[in-house]
Parts: sequence; structure tokens; C-alpha cells
Amino acid sequence: AQKVTQAQTEISVVEKEDVTLDCVYETRDTTYYLFWYKQPPSGELVFLIRRNSFDEQNEISGRYSWNFQKSTSSFNFTITASQVVDSAVYFCALSRRQGGSEKLVFGKGTKLTVNP
Amino acid sequence: DSGVTQTPKHLITATGQRVTLRCSPRSGDLSVYWYQQSLDQGLQFLIQYYNGEERAKGNILERFSAQQFPDLHSELNLSSLELGDSALYFCASSATSGSTDEQFFGPGTRLTVL
Repeated sequence: AQKVTQAQTEISVVEKEDVTLDCVYETRDTTYYLFWYKQPPSGELVFLIRRNSFDEQNEISGRYSWNFQKSTSSFNFTITASQVVDSAVYFCALSRRQGGSEKLVFGKGTKLTVNP
Repeated sequence: DSGVTQTPKHLITATGQRVTLRCSPRSGDLSVYWYQQSLDQGLQFLIQYYNGEERAKGNILERFSAQQFPDLHSELNLSSLELGDSALYFCASSATSGSTDEQFFGPGTRLTVL
């Protein structure tokens, strides 16, 4: 089975706190891609990052960082010094192969609320 | 702004009716994907078209169909609507045929079936 699990349904933090959003995936593919998308209250989905299965280097982009660990099938997302504008639902996704085509499978999402 | 446009933004209709959702991909993108987001099912992939041809199929009901036209815009047709079809429908586009590409999402069409 190929699936993405975001165990944290909702997280609430106070501004300037660091917060980590967990993502655990299952796949039998040796080559796959992982993604994070952000859905702010306005509703659109915004791409944050894509990582392929051969690149286990952690990535940092400003206040955002991602920790990819194949050994634990996890691709966690950390926001440092959170801000109110970070309030959104964050989705982790996995590209999977089925019948020769590729499909994107999303987790259920984690709703992050950053309070002032 | 992702460059992907969807119309209409909101749609309210009754059970048993048929509706058409429209999507224009980003300039130059050949793939169009349709997703359904509902409270109980989450974000689910429905179908993908690449350069006019169906490329991949997900959890799309038989009452739903889609197509991609020569100008690359796409339409998702939903028929015999049921209350459970109420959801946010997203269109996304990418440059090539693989879902490993970054996908750019439109603002969505919120469908309410009464």
C-alpha cells in the first residue's frame, strides 16, 4: 500500500515558537518524490518543496526546513520562529506509480494555527 | 497567483443536476490534473490529462468525466449530482506528463449540492 500519514490533525502554537509537522509515508517504489503544500485560509494550494528519494540532504529555505529520513520513511517540516501568516493547512504528498502512470497521494493535512 | 485559472469560483446546484467546471493551465503547461477536496475524503486525485490525452486516473466516479481541449484548457463534467459531491474541486497544471513535477494549483471551484 502507498499512503501518506500526517498524524497531527491540528497544532496550535504561539508566535515565535518553532513547530514541526510530521509526515510518514509508505511506498514500495525505489524512486519516488515527496512534496509539501500549504493551503492558507484563502483556499489555494501553494507548492513548498519537492524532494526525490535519492536526495536525503536536509533543506532550509528561510524559516522553513525539511528533514528527509528514508530509514524511518519520514519527511518532516519545521517552521522556525513561526508567524501568524504561517497559519494554514499543510499537506504532505507522495508521487506514486500505478499502472505505468504516476499519481500524487496526499496526506490528510495538518492544520497549523499560530496565535499572536 | 499560480497562473492556473478556474471558473466558476462558486457553484450551487441541486441533486440530479449536471455541472461543468473549467480550468485553464499555466501558459506552456501540457498536463492538467483534477482533484477533489472534501472534509471526509481529504484531497483526492481524480484524473490527469496530458496534451489532450487521458494520462492517469484516480478515484473518479463514473458520473464524472473530463476532457482536455486542443488549446489545453480542461473541463470536468459532474452529472447526476449527489449531496456527497459537495466539495472543493481543484485543477492543477504541470509542464510535463509526470506527477513528480511541481504542480501549480488553481484557486478551486467550490461546489455545493443542495
